[in-house]
Amino acid sequence: AQSVSQHNHHVILSEAASLELGCNYSYGGTVNLFWYVQYPGQHLQLLLKYFSGDPLVKGIKGFEAEFIKSKFSFNLRKPSVQWSDTAEYFCAGLMNRDDKIIFGKGTRLHILP
Amino acid sequence: DVKVTQSSRYLVKRTGEKVFLECVQDMDHENMFWYRQDPGLGLRLIYFSYDVKMKEKGDIPEGYSVSREKKERFSLILESASTNQTSMYLCASTQTGGYNEQFFGPGTRLTVL
Repeated sequence: AQSVSQHNHHVILSEAASLELGCNYSYGGTVNLFWYVQYPGQHLQLLLKYFSGDPLVKGIKGFEAEFIKSKFSFNLRKPSVQWSDTAEYFCAGLMNRDDKIIFGKGTRLHILP
Repeated sequence: DVKVTQSSRYLVKRTGEKVFLECVQDMDHENMFWYRQDPGLGLRLIYFSYDVKMKEKGDIPEGYSVSREKKERFSLILESASTNQTSMYLCASTQTGGYNEQFFGPGTRLTVL
């Protein structure tokens, strides 16, 4: 079955630390991948997306993600986090081109000032 | 600025009541979705719609129904609310074609007493 899994449910970091959030998907065909973020009290919004081409994708607020097809992974990274990055992060995948996105269970990121 | 709006941010209902959650998008999107968001479970798809008067069951449709009489409006109905339907409900929309991000509304936090 198609699925998206996120390894970490809750991550706590200090400001200026480097961040990597894991995401793996289960599907043998072509996928489109997304990272969404939900800041406290706000809408879910798109951080970045991968459809094709360069597997290293840059998004808003200094985030990037790398699509590694051989590992079925799409990990989110940021070299130096800020307190304002405290949020919940969702990895998602669009498989089969049926417009139905599958979401991971989310990772709560807490940045200590 | 694109917008998905939901009729209420907070709603409190009693067990057995019929509950309507409304969602409106102003982007002329074909596809609309209803999710519920629960801690540790991520976003789970309840129902979605590819066109007016069309609906498809998602992963957890039991206890819910939907209505899409106009392209811009997608309603979620709880026929007889139960306490296990206490949750955050998110509406989203996207253009058809499989390459597009979903745009989310602010969510409705429903409490069923």
